[in-house]
Amino acid sequence: EAEVAQSPRYKITEKSQAVAFWCDPISGHATLYWYRQILGQGPELLVQFQDESVVDDSQLPKDRFSAERLKGVDSTLKIQPAELGDSAMYLCASSLERGTSKRTQYFGPGTRLLVL
Amino acid sequence: DAKTTQPPSMDCAEGRAANLPCNHSTISGNEYVYWYRQIHSQGPQYIIHGLKNNETNEMASLIITEDRKSSTLILPHATLRDTAVYYCTRKPGGTSYGKLTFGQGTILTVHP
Repeated sequence: EAEVAQSPRYKITEKSQAVAFWCDPISGHATLYWYRQILGQGPELLVQFQDESVVDDSQLPKDRFSAERLKGVDSTLKIQPAELGDSAMYLCASSLERGTSKRTQYFGPGTRLLVL
Repeated sequence: DAKTTQPPSMDCAEGRAANLPCNHSTISGNEYVYWYRQIHSQGPQYIIHGLKNNETNEMASLIITEDRKSSTLILPHATLRDTAVYYCTRKPGGTSYGKLTFGQGTILTVHP
């Protein structure tokens, strides 16, 4: 069964350092999402891509976060500089979208970030 | 408010049906109800979704009230491996690119 891949699974960094997370969606999925999940809460959307274009980044802290999906396949989420409050699980999800009825989002295993 | 409301925790005996309620009183006509679960330290796992009709798959059943203001996820024969956080979420349908809006979920504990 196809899965969303994410790496690394765990990342420990010091505040003010740069970190990057990678996501490879399920093959053929046009829509890719990055969510952040703080311990004890549900995931919250950071950014959504349709192919290589951003369609929603309203909750992305753009002063320190950036996301790209240059070829419309895999994606990278970057934080620079990291702050203590960025400690969380970063989840990637993908869905077929593109006007079909198959809009179910499938999540990857996540990257757990700890900022010291 | 686009979020859903769920009880913070529930218990269920192994082998019995687990009925998890969700309130989504402000749901729009084109919004689907999606259920996910999350086992500790893993990504959310898709369970089932529906618009207005009841749905069933190999994992669970989804019962949506006629006014669509609430729904119930049913795990017919809960096992210990069903212990997880269950999220009831909303997502616009149609051709819009809708995000899932998660609440805090229900911690379901299945005990022997």
